[in-house]
Amino acid sequence: GAVVSQHPSRVICKSGTSVKIECRSLDFQATTMFWYRQFPKQSLMLMATSNEGSKATYEQGVEKDKFLINHASLTLSTLTVTSAHPEDSSFYICSARDETATNSPLHFGNGTRLTVT
Amino acid sequence: EDKVVQSPLSLVVHEGDTVTLNCSYEVTNFRSLLWYKQEKKAPTFLFMLTSSGIEKKSGRLSSILDKKELFSILNITATQTGDSAIYLCAVRTGANNLFFGTGTRLTVIP
Repeated sequence: GAVVSQHPSRVICKSGTSVKIECRSLDFQATTMFWYRQFPKQSLMLMATSNEGSKATYEQGVEKDKFLINHASLTLSTLTVTSAHPEDSSFYICSARDETATNSPLHFGNGTRLTVT
Repeated sequence: EDKVVQSPLSLVVHEGDTVTLNCSYEVTNFRSLLWYKQEKKAPTFLFMLTSSGIEKKSGRLSSILDKKELFSILNITATQTGDSAIYLCAVRTGANNLFFGTGTRLTVIP
């Protein structure tokens, strides 16, 4: 079945530094990938839709200059949290669908736990 | 505004009990409703429902969709401690977005 790999699974960084999170579709191509954020005891909130070869689409309230998304190939999307602050500490999850399969569900990466000190 | 509402928010049951989790939605251009189970990390896919009245089953789990009343239920029979998780309902719209409900936290006590 479709597999999405996310890396790193956990990262601790200092305030003011930038952190890059990678999301790969391992056995399928994805022109679109989705980035979610999850706070403790809350549901997944869509941050942005990553589009291969074009600009990402950000949800309302998400700062595009702070959360940089690059979707340079059909199997890789990256999310860079720039100048991270403690309030950016969260669980970030990416997802993608196998677009060649009819009605394929979204498959999720294992998520990245970001802690900003 | 598109929204997905799940109830209850949390539920504690004993092993062997049967539980029913609810998901109601109001979205434009509905395409499908999905159920996910989230334990410690990322959600894992359970079911995708597109048509009303057709039950999907996987072992002790089953789910059904009512597109007229705009809701879905997820049933778990003979619950086990391994069923303890957050169950997320999500609705996919024509814009290819996936809107998640708040989730139901299920705790199964031995």
